[in-house]
Amino acid sequence: AQSVTQPDIHITVSEGASLELRCNYSYGATPYLFWYVQSPGQGLQLLLKYFSGDTLVQGIKGFEAEFKRSQSSFNLRKPSVHWSDAAEYFCAVGNQAGTALIFGKGTTLSVSS
Amino acid sequence: DAGVIQSPRHEVTEMGQEVTLRCKPISGHDYLFWYRQTMMRGLELLIYFNNNVPIDDSGMPEDRFSAKMPNASFSTLKIQPSEPRDSAVYFCASRPDRGVSNEQFFGPGTRLTVL
Repeated sequence: AQSVTQPDIHITVSEGASLELRCNYSYGATPYLFWYVQSPGQGLQLLLKYFSGDTLVQGIKGFEAEFKRSQSSFNLRKPSVHWSDAAEYFCAVGNQAGTALIFGKGTTLSVSS
Repeated sequence: DAGVIQSPRHEVTEMGQEVTLRCKPISGHDYLFWYRQTMMRGLELLIYFNNNVPIDDSGMPEDRFSAKMPNASFSTLKIQPSEPRDSAVYFCASRPDRGVSNEQFFGPGTRLTVL
């Protein structure tokens, strides 16, 4: 079955510390992978995406993610977290055919001072 | 572009009432998606359209839910009659057919509360 797993429901990171959010997927075809961020009361904003080429992709707000096919993972990273990064982060997988994305349950990030 | 527009942003209604949520996709986008977000189930796809035609409605929870897309710039999601368990945030998203990455653009959502 196609699925996305985000193992961490809630993570707290100190401001200035590094961050890694985990995402594992199960998908029958070549996956297109996405990370979205949702601030409280807001819609989802795309952080970055991977669909081909370099497996390390850069996104907005200083985020990056690495696609590892052998591990079926697409972990999100940021070297130094800012308080404004506190939000909920969703990993999603899809394909080129235009079918809908499959989302993980999300990881809530809290940033402590 | 104004992005995906959803209305209303908040809706409070009583059980048994009809609720209609509205969405205007980004101009030129050929796909439109309706999602529901709850604490328990996360973000779930309800239905999606391609060129105004419903392609997959397997996520629509029951017959009380219906969705239409009468033209390329407007879609509705209707719940009749509404129940308290329908309380959730409903998102609309759109994407272009010619996009290579399948990126979807989300609206701000409608927070529905059914009392």
